[in-house]
Amino acid sequence: DAGVIQSPRHEVTEMGQEVTLRCKPISGHDYLFWYRQTMMRGLELLIYFNNNVPIDDSGMPEDRFSAKMPNASFSTLKIQPSEPRDSAVYFCASSSVWAQETQYFGPGTRLLVL
Amino acid sequence: GESVGLHLPTLSVQEGDNSIINCAYSNSASDYFIWYKQESGKGPQFIIDIRSNMDKRQGQRVTVLLNKTVKHLSLQIAATQPGDSAVYFCAEAMGGFQKLVFGTGTRLLVSP
Repeated sequence: DAGVIQSPRHEVTEMGQEVTLRCKPISGHDYLFWYRQTMMRGLELLIYFNNNVPIDDSGMPEDRFSAKMPNASFSTLKIQPSEPRDSAVYFCASSSVWAQETQYFGPGTRLLVL
Repeated sequence: GESVGLHLPTLSVQEGDNSIINCAYSNSASDYFIWYKQESGKGPQFIIDIRSNMDKRQGQRVTVLLNKTVKHLSLQIAATQPGDSAVYFCAEAMGGFQKLVFGTGTRLLVSP
């Protein structure tokens, strides 16, 4: 398996623009997670899905952030409008119901909002 | 995927030494703990986990120790290799494996 795939790997945008981050989980995995990593706050869970259904979005910082999982092999995290303080590395991770303790992380998307 | 950077505690060891990385966790009700390794430019990678009903668990070259009395977790790496150089995070969870709360991380530097 190719592992968790994220795109783009790097994104530079201007404040106010819409940003869409994409994730393809490992095939057969039931859980999908979105994390954000910053110098100030470390690694934080934003939202997670089980079988394409959002289970807990309490980590989503503001209404400007939204996440969807239209099918088992694809998820998006959207920021609209983006702000400089959204600059961070965003990770997607997935896990299987048969081994829930192990989350497999993607390589991340480094976002810079100018 | 660089992790929290400038003010990370750093442990510097020589190749072949044993390394001990420590972590203080925050929630006494946490019942599951994990160690992750993050290399520069990559996402975190699962190393080993332990449940709260255990105080020690061993893997390949790694051992995790849990002291619930003082809310302390440690990761021991035997015969540290240059490839072990990375940032190591502990994480805790309660009532399931999904909502992980990560610590701030420790940078391990291994010199040949």
